[in-house]
Amino acid sequence: NAGVTQTPKFQVLKTGQSMTLQCAQDMNHEYMSWYRQDPGMGLRLIHYSVGAGITDQGEVPNGYNVSRSTTEDFPLRLLSAAPSQTSVYFCASSYTTSGVNEQFFGPGTRLTVL
Amino acid sequence: DAKTTQPPSMDCAEGRAANLPCNHSTISGNEYVYWYRQIHSQGPQYIIHGLKNNETNEMASLIITEDRKSSTLILPHATLRDTAVYYCIVRSLYTGGFKTIFGAGTRLFVKA
Repeated sequence: NAGVTQTPKFQVLKTGQSMTLQCAQDMNHEYMSWYRQDPGMGLRLIHYSVGAGITDQGEVPNGYNVSRSTTEDFPLRLLSAAPSQTSVYFCASSYTTSGVNEQFFGPGTRLTVL
Repeated sequence: DAKTTQPPSMDCAEGRAANLPCNHSTISGNEYVYWYRQIHSQGPQYIIHGLKNNETNEMASLIITEDRKSSTLILPHATLRDTAVYYCIVRSLYTGGFKTIFGAGTRLFVKA
C-alpha cells in the first residue's frame, strides 16, 4: 500500500489564483480530513469526510472547498488564494469514523501564496 | 470532545526516560486518550491510545490516572530521533463523524 499520498509537494501561487491540492489513499478508509499547519503552530482541521458524498466543516473552513466523489480521493480546493493561506497542508485518513482507530497522515503540501 | 493541556516544551537527556504529561480534566467516560508525534514538519504519526488502563507498545507506554483527568506518555529510552512535537488528543469512541482536534502539543528536545 502507498498509504496516504499528496500532490504536489510544493506550490507557489499568486494572490487570487485557484488550485486543487490532491489527496488519495489506497487503504479503503472511510474517514478523510484536511489540516493546515502554520509555522510553529499545531494542526487545525479544515474539512473532513465520513464517506463518499459526505463532507463537513472543521475549525477553519473559510476559503476552502472539498468534495468526496470516491472513497479513495479527497481533493481540497482553494477558490481564490490569499497570503493568509500560506501554510503546510496535511491530509489524513482512518479506517472508520467511530471506534478506536488511528489516523494516517500524508507527507504534506507546502503552499506559498504571494 | 474534551480539551487537553500540555506543556509547550520539555528537555530530556538521550538514553533517559521522557515523561510527557497531559491534562484532560473534562474527559468523559467514552473518550479515549490518543498520542501522536510530528517529527520536523513530517505528517503526524500515531503512537498509542488508551481508555483507563495503562498501555504499552513498541514505541511507548501510556499511564492514565485513576480519575482519568490526566495522563503521561513515557518514552523509556529517548533517542535523538525522538525529538519531535507530541500531541495529546481526547476523542469520543462513539462520535459518528469525529473531528480530531490537535492542540499545540509539547515540543520534546532530546539532547546528547
